[in-house]
Amino acid sequence: KAGVTQTPRYLIKTRGQQVTLSCSPISGHRSVSWYQQTPGQGLQFLFEYFSETQRNKGNFPGRFSGRQFSNSRSEMNVSTLELGDSALYLCASTIRYSTDTQYFGPGTRLTVL
Amino acid sequence: GESVGLHLPTLSVQEGDNSIINCAYSNSASDYFIWYKQESGKGPQFIIDIRSNMDKRQGQRVTVLLNKTVKHLSLQIAATQPGDSAVYFCAENNQGGGNKLTFGTGTQLKVEL
Repeated sequence: KAGVTQTPRYLIKTRGQQVTLSCSPISGHRSVSWYQQTPGQGLQFLFEYFSETQRNKGNFPGRFSGRQFSNSRSEMNVSTLELGDSALYLCASTIRYSTDTQYFGPGTRLTVL
Repeated sequence: GESVGLHLPTLSVQEGDNSIINCAYSNSASDYFIWYKQESGKGPQFIIDIRSNMDKRQGQRVTVLLNKTVKHLSLQIAATQPGDSAVYFCAENNQGGGNKLTFGTGTQLKVEL
């Protein structure tokens, strides 16, 4: 069974631009969560989508948004990029419940110049 | 200002020795705990989990201990191998909170030959 895939793997953007990252969960998984990993803040939860609805949200500004499609694939968008948005963005999928194992993708490395 | 990287605690062990990685969690309502391993350039990889109604769980070469009284979690790795070198994160979740993991800061495990 294929794992969680994320595209693109690397991105370089400039301040003020926007970016869209994509995540394809493991087949049969209906929940997709997004995390930001930085050296300064560690791993932080962004949001979770289940059945095309945002089920949980972390403490990030409104510039960070996401969505989920009917096939469970998810995208996250960051608008008006700031230097501090440079990070590894990780997607994790799970079947449904909070006690189901979350499996992570390899991440998208975003660099904002 | 410039962000300061998190200072990861480092545990250095000799190959073949046992490793113990510790984690303190903060939320008394957390009832599901997970250990992840992250190698350089990769996403976190699930190692083992434990629910709050248990105090010990064993896997292949790994054991997780949970002490709810002092809100402490530990990961024991038996016969540590060079391939175990990575950053280890504990994460907590709340069954009623959907898939929203709160991660610890991580411990760098270095295995010396």
